[in-house]
Amino acid sequence: AQKVTQAQTEISVVEKEDVTLDCVYETRDTTYYLFWYKQPPSGELVFLIRRNSFDEQNEISGRYSWNFQKSTSSFNFTITASQVVDSAVYFCALCLYSSASKIIFGSGTRLSIRP
Amino acid sequence: NAGVTQTPKFQVLKTGQSMTLQCAQDMNHEYMSWYRQDPGMGLRLIHYSVGAGITDQGEVPNGYNVSRSTTEDFPLRLLSAAPSQTSVYFCASSYGGGETQYFGPGTRLLVL
Repeated sequence: AQKVTQAQTEISVVEKEDVTLDCVYETRDTTYYLFWYKQPPSGELVFLIRRNSFDEQNEISGRYSWNFQKSTSSFNFTITASQVVDSAVYFCALCLYSSASKIIFGSGTRLSIRP
Repeated sequence: NAGVTQTPKFQVLKTGQSMTLQCAQDMNHEYMSWYRQDPGMGLRLIHYSVGAGITDQGEVPNGYNVSRSTTEDFPLRLLSAAPSQTSVYFCASSYGGGETQYFGPGTRLLVL
């Protein structure tokens, strides 16, 4: 069975601290896609990144970086020098190539950045 | 491009009433999906469509119907609303399977 686990329900840090959001997934498929979405207090879902299972290169986009490790089935997300505007719920998600219509979401991590 | 649009933004229903949540996209995406979001449970797939005329059930389909007569539109029908259907509903679309899904702004539904 496929599953995405975000064990951190809530995280609170002081502005400018670095913070890592964990994502662990389960699948026996070899071809799949991983995603991160951000849901700010306004409620919309904002796409952050998509990664396929054959590309284990880490990615950096400004203050955001992602660490994909197939050996541990993890796809962690780090925010460097956090800002108040980063406060949101962050979702990790998995999509299998074999059932490509369906995305399985984790339960989300609520991140609060205190000024 | 408007992207993915949803109407209404907010709706209050009485138990037993029926209604249709509207979803439209102008990106010519083949894939469209409906999710519900409940506190602490992330998003759960209700129904999805891989093209006009083709729909299938997701994880939590009971109590909901869908149809896809055009590429652009994917309405979600609640047949007989129940308090358990109180939730935030999101529609999403993507170019194809495994591609990035883009979400609408959501519809907040309260069933009394």
